[in-house]
Amino acid sequence: GENVEQHPSTLSVQEGDSAVIKCTYSDSASNYFPWYKQELGKGPQLIIDIRSNVGEKKDQRIAVTLNKTAKHFSLHITETQPEDSAVYFCAAKQSGTYKYIFGTGTRLKVLA
Amino acid sequence: ETGVTQSPTHLIKTRGQQVTLRCSSQSGHNTVSWYQQALGQGPQFIFQYYREEENGRGNFPPRFSGLQFPNYSSELNVNALELDDSALYLCASSIRTGGSYGYTFGSGTRLTVV
Repeated sequence: GENVEQHPSTLSVQEGDSAVIKCTYSDSASNYFPWYKQELGKGPQLIIDIRSNVGEKKDQRIAVTLNKTAKHFSLHITETQPEDSAVYFCAAKQSGTYKYIFGTGTRLKVLA
Repeated sequence: ETGVTQSPTHLIKTRGQQVTLRCSSQSGHNTVSWYQQALGQGPQFIFQYYREEENGRGNFPPRFSGLQFPNYSSELNVNALELDDSALYLCASSIRTGGSYGYTFGSGTRLTVV
């Protein structure tokens, strides 16, 4: 069945450094890849997304890259700040459906 | 513009009981999806509702059922609760138009089955 693997499960960085989270998906029919940030006690919040016809997308300090051949996509956060500390989830949506398959999450800690 | 609201925020039920969770979708959104998030895991798709009909279902047994109302709000019903049903239940609304995929999630209902 469809599967999304996410690494690492935890990541600690110093404030101002960059953070990279990687995901691999199994279903080559996937065509949409969102990233969500979940803070304690809250629902996931969309922070950036990318479609399968695009290789890279950037929004201020956040960027996402997609390698369709390798079925990899990654989240890059530059100049990290303490408020970036949260759990981040990647997801993949299969073409023709509205179902998202989520990764298992990465707990990011930004140390001041 | 209001976001997605879910009620209740927390709930404790006994094994074997039934529970109903509620969701009001974001203004302008016509599709509601429900996800189960176990502790330390990513959300798992339960099902989606569009035009008051179930439109896609994940690997959940029939005791998980739902409804969508004409105002696009939705309910998730779980019968014969089991201990493993303890989780955060998330509702997400979206607009079902070509090229638009983004979900807006609510803050969830934390269900504990004892």
